[in-house]
Amino acid sequence: SQKIEQNSEALNIQEGKTATLTCNYTNYSPAYLQWYRQDPGRGPVFLLLIRENEKEKRKERLKVTFDTTLKQSLFHITASQPADSATYLCALDPNTGFQKLVFGTGTRLLVSP
Amino acid sequence: DAGITQSPRHKVTETGTPVTLRCHQTENHRYMYWYRQDPGHGLRLIHYSYGVKDTDKGEVSDGYSVSRSKTEDFLLTLESATSSQTSVYFCAISASGDSNQPQHFGDGTRLSIL
Repeated sequence: SQKIEQNSEALNIQEGKTATLTCNYTNYSPAYLQWYRQDPGRGPVFLLLIRENEKEKRKERLKVTFDTTLKQSLFHITASQPADSATYLCALDPNTGFQKLVFGTGTRLLVSP
Repeated sequence: DAGITQSPRHKVTETGTPVTLRCHQTENHRYMYWYRQDPGHGLRLIHYSYGVKDTDKGEVSDGYSVSRSKTEDFLLTLESATSSQTSVYFCAISASGDSNQPQHFGDGTRLSIL
């Protein structure tokens, strides 16, 4: 069956450390993978998109990798801050047209001062 | 922020009543989507629209209908609400519907069916 999985347990880290979140998928062959941030009571906000032929994408303190062999994407936040505390969602397009995204359940990140 | 407004933001209603949720956008985007978000599940696609009067079903469409009579408005209707439809509903828009484009989300409607 097709699945997209993120660690459901919250990730607790100290301020200043690097947070690494994982997104694994099964039986999909996405050309793109996206990452979103969601704060409590708010809708998801787009952060980064990475293409299958890109190994790595960076935006300020954010870095995303995409390994199509492992069927995995890693999302890194360097020099983390308490303001980075949120739930992070990965999403892929299963290439069925009309950008019908499939989302993971999200991983909650808590950054302590 | 993308101009997406969902209304109402909160609603409590009873089983068997009809409910309509509204998504209004000011971005003139062609593609609009309705998702529901429940604990233990990712966002799941209910219905989507690829133009005025052009709509189709998503992964979890049973019990829901949609309408899009204007570019800016996408309505989600629960004809006869059930407790299993208690959820947070999000509307999203996309400029092109291409895989390399982000989706932009509203802040959701929290719907409770008693």
